Amino acid sequence: AQTVTQSQPEMSVQEAETVTLSCTYDTSESDYYLFWYKQPPSRQMILVIRQEAYKQQNATENRFSVNFQKAAKSFSLKISDSQLGDAAMYFCASYPYLQGAQKLVFGQGTRLTINP
Amino acid sequence: GAVVSQHPSRVICKSGTSVKIECRSLDFQATTMFWYRQFPKKSLMLMATSNEGSKATYEQGVEKDKFLINHASLTLSTLTVTSAHPEDSSFYICSARTLSTNYGYTFGSGTRLTVV
Repeated sequence: AQTVTQSQPEMSVQEAETVTLSCTYDTSESDYYLFWYKQPPSRQMILVIRQEAYKQQNATENRFSVNFQKAAKSFSLKISDSQLGDAAMYFCASYPYLQGAQKLVFGQGTRLTINP
Repeated sequence: GAVVSQHPSRVICKSGTSVKIECRSLDFQATTMFWYRQFPKKSLMLMATSNEGSKATYEQGVEKDKFLINHASLTLSTLTVTSAHPEDSSFYICSARTLSTNYGYTFGSGTRLTVV
């Protein structure tokens, strides 16, 4: 079974600054995917970034990048040049690449506030 | 591409009645869809995995007779909350995984159910 833990219930950052959201996971699988999802007040889940565990290179998407530490089972999200529109709940998630129904397991979420 | 349409977005029903929520994949075929429940300010809890042409797989603790899932076609899965009670009030979200999103999950916009 996979578990995902986000230890920061809330974070805040000044507009234009950089913030890092933490995520750790536990899995017995050898290959898996990791994701960060954003849920704004509309509650629509939006994919921010994904990482395949077999890739050593950290994924980046414009202002969003991850620090993937496979041995430590850590998957943090860095948001650079924070914008007001980044304010949302952020969920870290994972699922095994091959096994079973490939259920997506979510962390508890981190509420990010952007201060103008 | 890879759009999941969910409706209704909001529904209010009386205790004891049943409510059906639909989840459609608009531009891809989804042999598997997932139903989540989200309490206020909480994470997404997987309720069940919906399999086209076969019975759904329910997570531990989820009443299959209360939450009926039907996945009769490759583009439609439905969740029926039977004999609804106020404690069933929640936000329900469906999702599907598709190759077109590089194995990411696409989510519906959610349904806010209020049972009065």
